[in-house]
Amino acid sequence: GNSVTQMEGPVTLSEEAFLTINCTYTATGYPSLFWYVQYPGEGLQLLLKATKADDKGSNKGFEATYRKETTSFHLEKGSVQVSDSAVYFCALIPRSASKIIFGSGTRLSIRP
Amino acid sequence: DAGVIQSPRHEVTEMGQEVTLRCKPISGHNSLFWYRQTMMRGLELLIYFNNNVPIDDSGMPEDRFSAKMPNASFSTLKIQPSEPRDSAVYFCASGYEQFFGPGTRLTVL
Repeated sequence: GNSVTQMEGPVTLSEEAFLTINCTYTATGYPSLFWYVQYPGEGLQLLLKATKADDKGSNKGFEATYRKETTSFHLEKGSVQVSDSAVYFCALIPRSASKIIFGSGTRLSIRP
Repeated sequence: DAGVIQSPRHEVTEMGQEVTLRCKPISGHNSLFWYRQTMMRGLELLIYFNNNVPIDDSGMPEDRFSAKMPNASFSTLKIQPSEPRDSAVYFCASGYEQFFGPGTRLTVL
């Protein structure tokens, strides 16, 4: 079946540190891959996406590359800010479906 | 566009009462999703519609929950009767890429 596994949180970093949040997936075919961010008290927002192998999605300094060979879509940012504190969700949509599969979310806290 | 609109934003009710949550999706989006989020269970998909037709309601917890989409611009999620364990934030999302509304925080006393 289709599933998404992301690293357990919480992740706590100091401001300007390098961020990696790991995400791996299981899917038949070639799904589209997404990262969403949820700030306190809000709904999820699409952060970035990639629709085919080797695509790199990027937004607000965050990047993730669709790695078919390792079935991964790790989220990275070179220098985090306090305002990046949120919960991050990795997700996929199978090629033949319209239903999205979310990971369990990773809470990120950034210390000033 | 105003984005996905949900109402009410907060709802406090007593056990046994009927609760109706409302959602207006983004104009032009063909799909609509209802989610529930709690600390214990995380984010759960309850039901989704495509072109106003329910496609998958396997996430609806029990018969007390029902959802309708009478037209392309409106959907409701109803809980009758409500129970304390239904307390959660309920999100509506629309479109292939899941544009989320701000959520309704439901508290059942």
